[in-house]
Amino acid sequence: DAGVIQSPRHEVTEMGQEVTLRCKPISGHDYLFWYRQTMMRGLELLIYFNNNVPIDDSGMPEDRFSAKMPNASFSTLKIQPSEPRDSAVYFCASSLNRDFQETQYFGPGTRLLVL
Amino acid sequence: QKEVEQDPGPLSVPEGAIVSLNCTYSNSAFQYFMWYRQYSRKGPELLMYTYSSGNKEDGRFTAQVDKSSKYISLFIRDSQPSDSATYLCAMRKGAQKLVFGQGTRLTINP
Repeated sequence: DAGVIQSPRHEVTEMGQEVTLRCKPISGHDYLFWYRQTMMRGLELLIYFNNNVPIDDSGMPEDRFSAKMPNASFSTLKIQPSEPRDSAVYFCASSLNRDFQETQYFGPGTRLLVL
Repeated sequence: QKEVEQDPGPLSVPEGAIVSLNCTYSNSAFQYFMWYRQYSRKGPELLMYTYSSGNKEDGRFTAQVDKSSKYISLFIRDSQPSDSATYLCAMRKGAQKLVFGQGTRLTINP
């Protein structure tokens, strides 16, 4: 299995531009998670899906952030408009769920720099 | 106050030393405890997973949970330069929502 796939791996954009991050979870996994990691705040959960349905988006910082999961093999995280404080590494993770015993498998991350 | 507290370090020790990494937490609802290892410019990967108080050993790694003190530890014996990474503790409450510590950056010097 190729693991969780994220694209792009690096993104540099200017303030005000729209940014779209993409994720392909491990085939067969029920859950998909979007995290953000910064030096100041560590690893934060933004939103997670179960069977393509958003379950908890309480970590999404504000309305500029949106996430979709149109099918079991694809998800996007969009920032519009982007701001310099959005600069971070964004991770996607996926997991099975069997009595909460399964763990989350992380992708390599997308390094976002907003100038 | 954060739900999970972890000293960010950095921590630097000589090769072969025993390393102790720790986290404290405030929410007694946490039931499942994990340690993730994150190499530079990579995603976190699960290292150890425990449920309930006590010790769990896997090779050179031992995870310890003390629910009464709300304290978890990861011990690394005979540390190697390849163990140099950031170690994040994580805890689960409810269904699938992990709460992470800040991460401790560890360097093992040859």
